[in-house]
Amino acid sequence: EAQVTQNPRYLITVTGKKLTVTCSQNMNHEYMSWYRQDPGLGLRQIYYSMNVEVTDKGDVPEGYKVSRKEKRNFPLILESPSPNQTSLYFCASSLYGTIFEGGYTFGSGTRLTVV
Amino acid sequence: GDSVTQMEGPVTLSEEAFLTINCTYTATGYPSLFWYVQYPGEGLQLLLKATKADDKGSNKGFEATYRKETTSFHLEKGSVQVSDSAVYFCALSDRTGNQFYFGTGTSLTVIP
Repeated sequence: EAQVTQNPRYLITVTGKKLTVTCSQNMNHEYMSWYRQDPGLGLRQIYYSMNVEVTDKGDVPEGYKVSRKEKRNFPLILESPSPNQTSLYFCASSLYGTIFEGGYTFGSGTRLTVV
Repeated sequence: GDSVTQMEGPVTLSEEAFLTINCTYTATGYPSLFWYVQYPGEGLQLLLKATKADDKGSNKGFEATYRKETTSFHLEKGSVQVSDSAVYFCALSDRTGNQFYFGTGTSLTVIP
């Protein structure tokens, strides 16, 4: 089944403790992206990647890192999480150049709470 | 820059009522327009899309028409069901696909 898989689904952590949220897709998509969803703000893009070793900042990149060493994986790293990063996170992917035609495929989300 | 504005929620309707969720956009050029749906506890799913003016996207009884003259892409359904309760997002992609913008979402609750 074609899908984007995120792990974990739920995570509670403490301020300053480094964490990684994994994202993997099995559709051979070049384009991958991370979004955060907050009430009243909709979805905001954190980082995106057009292909292996090519990443770029989205609208809200502060406090996050990403890497794209393999085509299928696009982990989101919080080096020193803070409470304002408590949010619902989504990974999404698309064939490069076809977002215009077909939009994204989304993962099921990771609900992160930083205390 | 490009942006999407959709009507504020929440929206509560009785089963079999008519649904309209308004969406307007601002864009340079000719973007693609999308509606995504997010059911409770799940990720976003593409509901329908339109890639050029006057196109009508449709799926699961939902429809939206790309209106360039009014820069709108309103979502409609003639008879909603309880199972349609979800959050609906309007979205826009520029022609390169490098810029993708979401509205803030509209929560719909359908009561029996």
